[in-house]
Amino acid sequence: AQSVTQLDSQVPVFEEAPVELRCNYSSSVSVYLFWYVQYPNQGLQLLLKYLSGSTLVKGINGFEAEFNKSQTSFHLRKPSVHISDTAEYFCAVSDPQKTSYDKVIFGPGTSLSVIP
Amino acid sequence: GAGVSQSPRYKVTKRGQDVALRCDPISGHVSLYWYRQALGQGPEFLTYFNYEAQQDKSGLPNDRFSAERPEGSISTLTIQRTEQRDSAMYRCASSYDGTGVLQTQYFGPGTRLLVL
Repeated sequence: AQSVTQLDSQVPVFEEAPVELRCNYSSSVSVYLFWYVQYPNQGLQLLLKYLSGSTLVKGINGFEAEFNKSQTSFHLRKPSVHISDTAEYFCAVSDPQKTSYDKVIFGPGTSLSVIP
Repeated sequence: GAGVSQSPRYKVTKRGQDVALRCDPISGHVSLYWYRQALGQGPEFLTYFNYEAQQDKSGLPNDRFSAERPEGSISTLTIQRTEQRDSAMYRCASSYDGTGVLQTQYFGPGTRLLVL
């Protein structure tokens, strides 16, 4: 079964500094990859997704992620964070060959805290 | 509607009681998903509906959990004889069509269930 690993449970970073949130997934022939963000007391919101094509994916709020098939990674990056980026970030994977619908498997999440 | 809504937002119940959690998806969305999210963890898939048909219930932890979507719109997740280990955030998501090209899942705010 597909699985997602987010090694960093908590990431503190100073405002305007760059950040990288790491994500690795179990290998498969083809996968779809996602990053979701959960702001306090809100539902999950899609940041970006990779389906195919260019390995660098740009999302909302200045975030981007790079798909690396050889390393089975999909790390999320932002060059300069803001206080408002403080949230929980979830990496997720979907395997189109395993199910006929969009079954998404989520990682445990990384809590990003931006320090003023 | 503007987004996925869930009710109640918070539910406190005593062990052994039954609870019913409601999800109202975005109008016109064919696919509906239920997830459970424990504290500090990512959402865990419970079940999936395509219209009114429950096409995957492999994530339901045991037979105390059931879900229905009788008219292909609103869905209810029912937990019978609740136990303390059932305490979690229960999230609902919907997408336009989960069986075609990957569709974005839109999440509701969740129902926080606490079993005493």
